[in-house]
Amino acid sequence: GAVVSQHPSWVICKSGTSVKIECRSLDFQATTMFWYRQFPKQSLMLMATSNEGSKATYEQGVEKDKFLINHASLTLSTLTVTSAHPEDSSFYICSARVGGLEQFFGPGTRLTVL
Amino acid sequence: QQPVQSPQAVILREGEDAVINCSSSKALYSVHWYRQKHGEAPVFLMILLKGGEQKGHDKISASFNEKKQQSSLYLTASQLSYSGTYFCGTESQAGTALIFGKGTTLSVSS
Repeated sequence: GAVVSQHPSWVICKSGTSVKIECRSLDFQATTMFWYRQFPKQSLMLMATSNEGSKATYEQGVEKDKFLINHASLTLSTLTVTSAHPEDSSFYICSARVGGLEQFFGPGTRLTVL
Repeated sequence: QQPVQSPQAVILREGEDAVINCSSSKALYSVHWYRQKHGEAPVFLMILLKGGEQKGHDKISASFNEKKQQSSLYLTASQLSYSGTYFCGTESQAGTALIFGKGTTLSVSS
């Protein structure tokens, strides 16, 4: 299957700082990537759809000013959590679709805000 | 609308079978099945498209009843490696983001 990577794998930061998470498609081009958030023992909740060269589409209840998404190239999308607080601690996972069908997930980034 | 998965949890011994169901209140274009192990990202299992597909790989198969807006995942002769949380993800139109159910936790013991 297609490979999606994320960096970093985990990050611990202090409250009030900003954190950037990268999502890369390694062996294919992805015009659309998706960002999900998963709290412990819960489902994956879609945060936003990232489109290359245009603004991201955010799901209802997700603050676009807090979770900045940039999809500058066909292989890279970034999620920046601005002014992070402890309640933002979560598992953030990106995914990309191949050929409009199968959706492959990155390994995820565990964010802990102290 | 989030699809509904049932059951929430299943406990099996090696070699036993299990069925996990996923139903939606909306018409679906496709259903995707994933397995996630603790602390890891979901791993793609299979996709079923509208038109009423059935497919399988090894001892894992799935069906999609488009009329009933339901899909079922069948795990036969379960192995220890099958343990994890199974999610169905649905899309109502081609190319849109997947919306995931709450998951079904499967525990297989020897």
